[in-house]
Amino acid sequence: AQSVSQHNHHVILSEAASLELGCNYSYGGTVNLFWYVQYPGQHLQLLLKYFSGDPLVKGIKGFEAEFIKSKFSFNLRKPSVQWSDTAEYFCAVTMYNNNDMRFGAGTRLTVKP
Amino acid sequence: GAGVSQSPSNKVTEKGKDVELRCDPISGHTALYWYRQSLGQGLEFLIYFQGNSAPDKSGLPSDRFSAERTGGSVSTLTIQRTQQEDSAVYLCASSGRDFRDSPLHFGNGTRLTVT
Repeated sequence: AQSVSQHNHHVILSEAASLELGCNYSYGGTVNLFWYVQYPGQHLQLLLKYFSGDPLVKGIKGFEAEFIKSKFSFNLRKPSVQWSDTAEYFCAVTMYNNNDMRFGAGTRLTVKP
Repeated sequence: GAGVSQSPSNKVTEKGKDVELRCDPISGHTALYWYRQSLGQGLEFLIYFQGNSAPDKSGLPSDRFSAERTGGSVSTLTIQRTQQEDSAVYLCASSGRDFRDSPLHFGNGTRLTVT
């Protein structure tokens, strides 16, 4: 089965700093990639997704992610974080045409005001 | 209902007791997932149901864990002879047949504490 690695366990940034959270997966076939976010006290919700086409995907709240097939990566970025971005971020993957979704361990982002 | 419903929201049990956790997915969603979220462990896959297909049980951590999905709707996760390491938040999620149009919808989870 595929696995997902998120290298950063806890990231602390000041407001307006740029963000990049790493995500790598281990599967050689065609994959679908996702980032989910869990704000404090809330349930997980979809941030963005990639199925095909342009490898640079734009999501909600100014987030984007770039799929780099040769690196098996799908890193999440935001040019300027806000305090309200404090949350836990999960990368997830499914194999092509398959709903079986696996998540990474998550990265906790703390943004200092 | 409007979203994925899980019950109970909190469960405290004594070591060695059995517990049942319930998930009521969004009506019409064919895929149902159970995950476990514990501090420092992230989101751990447990089991996945898709329609009438055999479930993917590869994430269940031991034979004390089992899950059923009756009538393609409500699911129950059962943990027998609970251990302290079973303490975690158990999350259920559901999605439609074509996940391209239907991302996972998560419930609020059941917080299980084994004393």
